[in-house]
Order: sequence, then structure tokens, then C-alpha cells
Amino acid sequence: EVQLVQSGAEVKKPGDSLKISCKGFGYRFSSYWIGWVRQMPGKGLEWMGIIYAGDSETRYSPPFQGQVTISVDKSISTAYLQWTSLKAADTAMYYCAKFDYGDPFDLWGQGTLVTVSS
Amino acid sequence: SYVLTQSPSVSVAPGQTATITCGGNNIGRKRVSWCQQRPGQAPVLVIYDDRRRPSGIPERFSGSNSGNTATLTINRVEAGDEADYYCQVWDETNEHPVLGTGTKVTVL
Repeated sequence: EVQLVQSGAEVKKPGDSLKISCKGFGYRFSSYWIGWVRQMPGKGLEWMGIIYAGDSETRYSPPFQGQVTISVDKSISTAYLQWTSLKAADTAMYYCAKFDYGDPFDLWGQGTLVTVSS
Repeated sequence: SYVLTQSPSVSVAPGQTATITCGGNNIGRKRVSWCQQRPGQAPVLVIYDDRRRPSGIPERFSGSNSGNTATLTINRVEAGDEADYYCQVWDETNEHPVLGTGTKVTVL
């Protein structure tokens, strides 16, 4: 079965670092792109950045440039989203999604809830 | 950067037709997709390439795209269609996805 499985919910304090993951199953992971999408409580979907699993080419949405780092380890079919210093405003659900270049997100992970609170 | 605008909400009675619009400059020249996000769930693709349905999506869902407006139509609305719907296109100039602002569909 083709699926994206994300790591579990996280509760962190402001200033903590964090790396969440998204593992692909049932398809050739290195042939597709992965996008990361933020959904703040009660709000819409915002694309944060995209990465090509084949060669790690990465693009960031301007609001997220310099705020997060997206990476991939194609040997284990896993993409990552990481923060070096979390803020309360980073509290949100984060989704990964698979797509082919120029095409829409055709498969989404189940989401990872990140809560940042002192 | 390319912007997609959706009306915030649509209300519809069961069995009736819901129409959700997505506005963008010359969006008719782009390929539009739509995803559905039910409460508490991850999004699911329901329409791609303006009007194509992925496997498993009911025929009640249809799409069109022309001029500056793309449209998602849900016929014979059911309670299970209550969800947020987002349109999406690819920004060829900046080479990245663009997501709409989302429309909440409420089934009365």
C-alpha cells in the first residue's frame, strides 16, 4: 500500500530543537518530491517547503526560509522537517505530502502535532 | 507570487448541490486540483487536472476551470461531505505549489 507515515506527536518547550519525519512506503521514494505543510489551530494549509527525494533539491516558502530545515535520506525513504529553536507560534499540525513535479499533492501523511509550551 | 482566493464558507442542505470556487489570475491556463479535509483528518485529493477524479472518489465530485475561476461541484451532498476544501495549482514561474485559502462546507 502506498502511504506516508509520519512520526508521533511532540510536546516541546520554547527554545528546544526538533526533527520530525515522514517515511514513504509502497512507491519509488527517490522519484518524487515531498512537501511539508503547516496547519495552525483552526487555520488553513500553508506550504512550507518542498524537497526532491532523488537529489535533495529544496525550495522554501518565503515565510519559512531560515526558520526550518527540510532534508531527506533516500536510503531509508524518509524526509525530515527540523527546527533549531522552537517558538510557541510553531504549535501546529504538520503534514508531509508526496507529489510529482508540477502535479498536486496526491498523497498525504497522517500529520504530526507539535505543541510548544513553557 | 501567485494567489488563490476561496470564499470562506458554503452551506448546503443534504441532497442539494455545493459549489466551491477558487479565484486566480488566468487560472484557466493552469491545472487545478482540489483536496478535502474532513474534521480531524489529513487532506485527501478529490480532483486533479481540473476535472479528473482519483480512484475511489465518488462521481458526485466534479470540477471545471475557465478564465479566472475554477469550480468544485459536489452533487447530492451527504453529511460526510462536510469538510474544508482547498484548491491547488503549480506556480510555473517560481516552481512551487500554491494552496488556496480554503472553503468550509457545512451540511445543514
